[in-house]
Amino acid sequence: EVKLVQSGAEVKKPGESLKIFCKGSGYSFNDYWIGWVRQLPGKGLEWMGIIYPGDSDTRYSPPFQGQVTISADKSNTTACLQWSSLRASDTGIYYCVRPGYSSGWPPGAFEVWGQGTKVTVSS
Amino acid sequence: DIVMTQSPDSLAVSLGERATISCKSSQSVLYSYNNKNYLAWYQQKPGQPPKLLIRWASTRESGVPDRFSGGGSGTDFTLTITSLQAEDVAVYYCQQHLISPHLTFGGGTKVEIK
Repeated sequence: EVKLVQSGAEVKKPGESLKIFCKGSGYSFNDYWIGWVRQLPGKGLEWMGIIYPGDSDTRYSPPFQGQVTISADKSNTTACLQWSSLRASDTGIYYCVRPGYSSGWPPGAFEVWGQGTKVTVSS
Repeated sequence: DIVMTQSPDSLAVSLGERATISCKSSQSVLYSYNNKNYLAWYQQKPGQPPKLLIRWASTRESGVPDRFSGGGSGTDFTLTITSLQAEDVAVYYCQQHLISPHLTFGGGTKVEIK
């Protein structure tokens, strides 16, 4: 079974750093893009960026460029999303996603979703 | 940046009636290389991650009831629920996944029972 399992909820203070994880299983991790999607409380879905673990090709949505870092650890079949300095406005749920087929660009529709990681940033 | 505009923001439909959601993109998402529209529809129920309903603008995912249908090409797309059921109450999003790097979602449409 193809799965993306994300790390658990986090509570952090403004200015702290954070790294959350998304472990892929049941498929060839290197061959599929993995993306990240943000959902602020009560709001819609926002595309953050995507990485191709096979060659680490990473593409950030302009609002998130420089605000977060997306990476992938092929040996552990895990994608990561990290912040160096959190803000209260980063509070939300973060989903990792995988397209339905392996390919170069453009990816297919995102048929596999992680369960989401809730991040709360509050002083 | 490509902008995906969904309408309406919300709609209330009686059980068994039709619900139609529009999604318009500011640029074409029809990929000339394979003549496919890189437009997907997702359904999100409260407390759950989104679920892919339709890919390539009109191809239903396995297990999705046939009351859900997608149409359109280029820049104008629709999602139709032909006979609304109680379990269809959700927020629906379109997404273009052609134009890098911003694989934009529409703002979402909340579907409720009237």
